[in-house]
Amino acid sequence: GAVVSQHPSRVICKSGTSVKIECRSLDFQATTMFWYRQFPKQSLMLMATSNEGSKATYEQGVEKDKFLINHASLTLSTLTVTSAHPEDSSFYICSASTQGQGAGGYTFGSGTRLTVV
Amino acid sequence: KQEVTQIPAALSVPEGENLVLNCSFTDSAIYNLQWFRQDPGKGLTSLLLIQSSQREQTSGRLNASLDKSSGRSTLYIAASQPGDSATYLCAVFSQGGKLIFGQGTELSVKP
Repeated sequence: GAVVSQHPSRVICKSGTSVKIECRSLDFQATTMFWYRQFPKQSLMLMATSNEGSKATYEQGVEKDKFLINHASLTLSTLTVTSAHPEDSSFYICSASTQGQGAGGYTFGSGTRLTVV
Repeated sequence: KQEVTQIPAALSVPEGENLVLNCSFTDSAIYNLQWFRQDPGKGLTSLLLIQSSQREQTSGRLNASLDKSSGRSTLYIAASQPGDSATYLCAVFSQGGKLIFGQGTELSVKP
């Protein structure tokens, strides 16, 4: 079945530094990947849609300059949290679909727990 | 704007019980609906995917139904086990091109 690999699973960084999270589709090509954020005991909030070869589409209220998304190939999207602050601490998850328009359903990465100290 | 609601928010049942989790959505123009399971601190595991043209899907002890016209889906778990304890999330993929999640139902199955 489709596998999405997300790395790292956990990261602790100092306030003011930047952190990069990778999302890879291992056995399929994904022209579109999605990035979500999840706070404790809450559901997933869509942050942005990552499109291969073009700019990401951000949801309302999500800072483009803070959460940089790069989708340079059909199997890799990256999310960089720039100048991280403690309020950026959260669980970040990416997803991708094996078929256009999500017809094949979505596969999720295992998530990245970011802690900013 | 699509909104997805799950009821109940939390559920605790003794082992062996059959149970139903509910999901409702406001916009019936969806491509599909997907049920996921999430263990604490982990990613999401896909359980069942129902296309908009389908009425139900089954996998083992799980059965999911979809009534698109009324904007509802149910996840039925038969003969629940302690290992079923997790948060269950439903998500709809709408024509807006986004996967929108409900808040989840936190299930606890007591031995």
